[in-house]
Amino acid sequence: RKEVEQDPGPFNVPEGATVAFNCTYSNSASQSFFWYRQDCRKEPKLLMSVYSSGNEDGRFTAQLNRASQYISLLIRDSKLSDSATYLCVVDDSWGKFQFGAGTQVVVTP
Amino acid sequence: AAGVIQSPRHLIKEKRETATLKCYPIPRHDTVYWYQQGPGQDPQFLISFYEKMQSDKGSIPDRFSAQQFSDYHSELNMSSLELGDSALYFCASSFDRGSGANVLTFGAGSRLTVL
Repeated sequence: RKEVEQDPGPFNVPEGATVAFNCTYSNSASQSFFWYRQDCRKEPKLLMSVYSSGNEDGRFTAQLNRASQYISLLIRDSKLSDSATYLCVVDDSWGKFQFGAGTQVVVTP
Repeated sequence: AAGVIQSPRHLIKEKRETATLKCYPIPRHDTVYWYQQGPGQDPQFLISFYEKMQSDKGSIPDRFSAQQFSDYHSELNMSSLELGDSALYFCASSFDRGSGANVLTFGAGSRLTVL
């Protein structure tokens, strides 16, 4: 069992719609949480860091639920350019980054 | 701003050959990580270095070795290459834990194809 689990994809989303998906982590001592976006054959790029109860950046909102040990990512008003794989990354507090398998989002016209 | 620089971007090798990948981390980042990503997979952690010392080891084959040099650049050496080694190899660096958030920044990757 992976230490970081993500919702399986792909999530097919009509343009303009809202999509949300989760990531669960097993290490309760984890301190830092991140969402990365990865386009095909490209490097993962930091989308958002999630440090406390969550944060918002434009159309993207990340939430952290420590009690249930999960983080979520919500994308509002989806754009075609939001199509990508979203990787959940957790710093396990020992400086080791644990990766989820990624959630594929496909935004359709 | 300076990013993580990897070279070469593309590499084609024959089975049983050797390959060396290079990584130049963001200046003043103290930790370097190597990841291997096969098609349709998430990045698999290979090895990391903190202040030029190996800090953690993941699923790195014995045929692979890595080191970090005095100028903080790192090299991943792969020998006796196998077809299954064909993958994207990412280097990432992160900031000092004592100085702020420990956030991974990735290089553009080196695509290795073994024929």
